[in-house]
Amino acid sequence: SQQGEEDPQALSIQEGENATMNCSYKTSINNLQWYRQNSGRGLVHLILIRSNEREKHSGRLRVTLDTSKKSSSLLITASRAADTASYFCATAPISSGSARQLTFGSGTQLTVLP
Amino acid sequence: EPEVTQTPSHQVTQMGQEVILRCVPISNHLYFYWYRQILGQKVEFLVSFYNNEISEKSEIFDDQFSVERPDGSNFTLKIRSTKLEDSAMYFCASSGAGGFGTEAFFGQGTRLTVV
Repeated sequence: SQQGEEDPQALSIQEGENATMNCSYKTSINNLQWYRQNSGRGLVHLILIRSNEREKHSGRLRVTLDTSKKSSSLLITASRAADTASYFCATAPISSGSARQLTFGSGTQLTVLP
Repeated sequence: EPEVTQTPSHQVTQMGQEVILRCVPISNHLYFYWYRQILGQKVEFLVSFYNNEISEKSEIFDDQFSVERPDGSNFTLKIRSTKLEDSAMYFCASSGAGGFGTEAFFGQGTRLTVV
């Protein structure tokens, strides 16, 4: 698999349920970020977790990072219909430069049914 | 809340024509980026820009592409002679002092259609 691959590719749940999306990557990273994209729209930054962090929370979002397994998960609790979107993980490589390019995964399409 | 703005939201151009996509990054940011997303595919890195010069670029960013920060606020992407395969959504992004070590803000994108 390529750097930053999410699974599942598609996830459909009922409103109120929790949604878990996973991301795997291959190379060493500085940080990993999760983004949301509503259909045909821009990318909205959700959360950034650094390589020395294991877990991070933001509202209904919980992100974990396991650098030994090169994987991350995004948990959305108590999902709402408005959470319906594509979710992408993106990794920032360890680099000597200050400007780092993000490598995006293919995304998970989450559908929350009312 | 500060945001990255991109214009136009949609651009249709004839193959072989030049296009300029415009972006206004967040005012105190130092790092600027262009990404693109071909319909149904991954978001791909094109180029990063810092201190008035290109920091990194991908193999997609060939001689047909150029970036410029003509004044203190705008950041542009120029495609000299567009090809059909350049049709995509183009995203501008900016970040603060830590590059992508800190949060990056993306614009809403410009959908480029080459006909």
